[in-house]
Amino acid sequence: QQQVKQSPQSLIVQKGGISIINCAYENTAFDYFPWYQQFPGKGPALLIAIRPDVSEKKEGRFTISFNKSAKQFSLHIMDSQPGDSATYFCAASRTGFQKLVFGTGTRLLVSP
Amino acid sequence: NAGVTQTPKFQVLKTGQSMTLQCAQDMNHEYMSWYRQDPGMGLRLIHYSVGAGITDQGEVPNGYNVSRSTTEDFPLRLLSAAPSQTSVYFCASSQGQGIYGYTFGSGTRLTVV
Repeated sequence: QQQVKQSPQSLIVQKGGISIINCAYENTAFDYFPWYQQFPGKGPALLIAIRPDVSEKKEGRFTISFNKSAKQFSLHIMDSQPGDSATYFCAASRTGFQKLVFGTGTRLLVSP
Repeated sequence: NAGVTQTPKFQVLKTGQSMTLQCAQDMNHEYMSWYRQDPGMGLRLIHYSVGAGITDQGEVPNGYNVSRSTTEDFPLRLLSAAPSQTSVYFCASSQGQGIYGYTFGSGTRLTVV
């Protein structure tokens, strides 16, 4: 069974627009929710992460929104740029456990 | 500071052959993992290690073996390659138990024919 469900599978946004990627999780024991960015031919790289004690975290143009009651979290990319075109993965884990569970990924294309 | 180094970058195997994917990190990270990435399936955990001498299975361990004799190295062995093991393999390391970001290598693209 998939513990972290991610949508959409792909997304096209115009330059300057807002990109939104959503994830939902099942295991209420998860307490760490990172987002990873992957460019073609490269490994994923940590972009931003949130713990469930806050509802939002912002780093530059990237914001995570977290809804604990709905067991959902999302990534917002403001003022999207062509350089943001990449695959984005949400993930979740539980403190004390090594396993980081990933969503299936969203391929983002920002058109010029 | 090299981070996580994976070799080789590309490999073609024949069905039934064995091989070892190498992974080394120079950050003194205790935690290391192997993931495989397949289209539409995200990253799936194969095996992981919480320190030298300690390994455990992930979500898709069948057909793979690992060992961790040193903190730096975490090789992944394919015992008898099958076409279903065609994938991109990533090694990752982390300072802590999920509360720190994972550092990924650049991947090994494996094709089994």
